[in-house]
Amino acid sequence: DQQVKQNSPSLSVQEGRISILNCDYTNSMFDYFLWYKKYPAEGPTFLISISSIKDKNEDGRFTVFLNKSAKHLSLHIVPSQPGDSAVYFCAASVENYGQNFVFGPGTRLSVLP
Amino acid sequence: EAGVAQSPRYKIIEKRQSVAFWCNPISGHATLYWYQQILGQGPKLLIQFQNNGVVDDSQLPKDRFSAERLKGVDSTLKIQPAKLEDSAVYLCASSLVHGSSYEQYFGPGTRLTVT
Repeated sequence: DQQVKQNSPSLSVQEGRISILNCDYTNSMFDYFLWYKKYPAEGPTFLISISSIKDKNEDGRFTVFLNKSAKHLSLHIVPSQPGDSAVYFCAASVENYGQNFVFGPGTRLSVLP
Repeated sequence: EAGVAQSPRYKIIEKRQSVAFWCNPISGHATLYWYQQILGQGPKLLIQFQNNGVVDDSQLPKDRFSAERLKGVDSTLKIQPAKLEDSAVYLCASSLVHGSSYEQYFGPGTRLTVT
């Protein structure tokens, strides 16, 4: 049973446009969420996080939105750049239980020049 | 600051053979994690150490997988004997302390192919 779902395996966006990556979760106990970015042959790198007490967190071109009632979060990248082409993983945890994150299967983003 | 180091980067073995992976976390990081990432899936936590003690190994297949973190610094993950379904990338990560809000830093991973 997948507790964290990323239903789009891939996404292509034109350079300069907005990229929207979606993530759904089933466990209502999850209260801390992160996005990781992964380039080929490298480990994932942390991108942005959000706690369940917020519904939005912004860091430069990256914004994460959290809709707790829908158990849904999304990552917006504006404007998209070719260097953003990577696999993006959504991860969730129950904060009181520490860092045992559950990862989604990832979405491969391709930003076309 | 040096990142998380892992070796080897690639390993090909036959089923029923043994294999070991090594991880050196970022200096000063108390918490160390081993993840298994099967192709097309997200990383799955196998084991988590806090210093040299195990915090969580609930998803580690203990009949064939073992891990240790002697002296609370580097760590080894062993598979004995390997099965075809163990083919995956094994990622090591570390964080300063234990807690969701502390970023995990990942190494480049070891890609294991079991034939």
